[in-house]
Amino acid sequence: DQQVKQNSPSLSVQEGRISILNCDYTNSMFDYFLWYKKYPAEGPTFLISISSIKDKNEDGRFTVFLNKSAKHLSLHIVPSQPGDSAVYFCAASAIGNQFYFGTGTSLTVIP
Amino acid sequence: DTGVSQDPRHKITKRGQNVTFRCDPISEHNRLYWYRQTLGQGPEFLTYFQNEAQLEKSRLLSDRFSAERPKGSFSTLEIQRTEQGDSAMYLCASSSRTVYGYTFGSGTRLTVV
Repeated sequence: DQQVKQNSPSLSVQEGRISILNCDYTNSMFDYFLWYKKYPAEGPTFLISISSIKDKNEDGRFTVFLNKSAKHLSLHIVPSQPGDSAVYFCAASAIGNQFYFGTGTSLTVIP
Repeated sequence: DTGVSQDPRHKITKRGQNVTFRCDPISEHNRLYWYRQTLGQGPEFLTYFQNEAQLEKSRLLSDRFSAERPKGSFSTLEIQRTEQGDSAMYLCASSSRTVYGYTFGSGTRLTVV
């Protein structure tokens, strides 16, 4: 049972434009959310987090939005850069430490 | 400290053989996690240690799998009698505070032939 879903396996965006990656979850107990970026042959790298007490968290070009009522979060990257091309995973956790990951969205930023 | 280290990076083994992977977490991190990732999927939780205590195990961790963290530092993951379905990337991660998420290693890619 996939509790965290990323329904878009891939996304292509022109350099300089906004990239929006989406993530849906089913477990209303989830209270902490993370985004990871993964390059080929490397482990995932932590990108940004948000707790359920917030609806937005911003870090430089990266902003994560959380809509608890819709059980939806999104990652905005603006402006997108070619180096952002990677697979992006969202992950969610309830009280405790195990995170459930989505299946990933492969982002390609076209120069 | 150079982050989370995993060894080996790649392992090819014949079906039925035993394999062991090692993970060295970031030294000040007391929490250590093992995840497995197959093609087209996100990482799936296997098990979690706080110091040397194994606090949680996924049902994915069959009796052929065993993980240890004997001194609360490095950890090993052993798979006995490997099967082709065990072929995956095995990821180790460590953390000290959940709020900052995990730091993942580069993984061990296991291929069972």
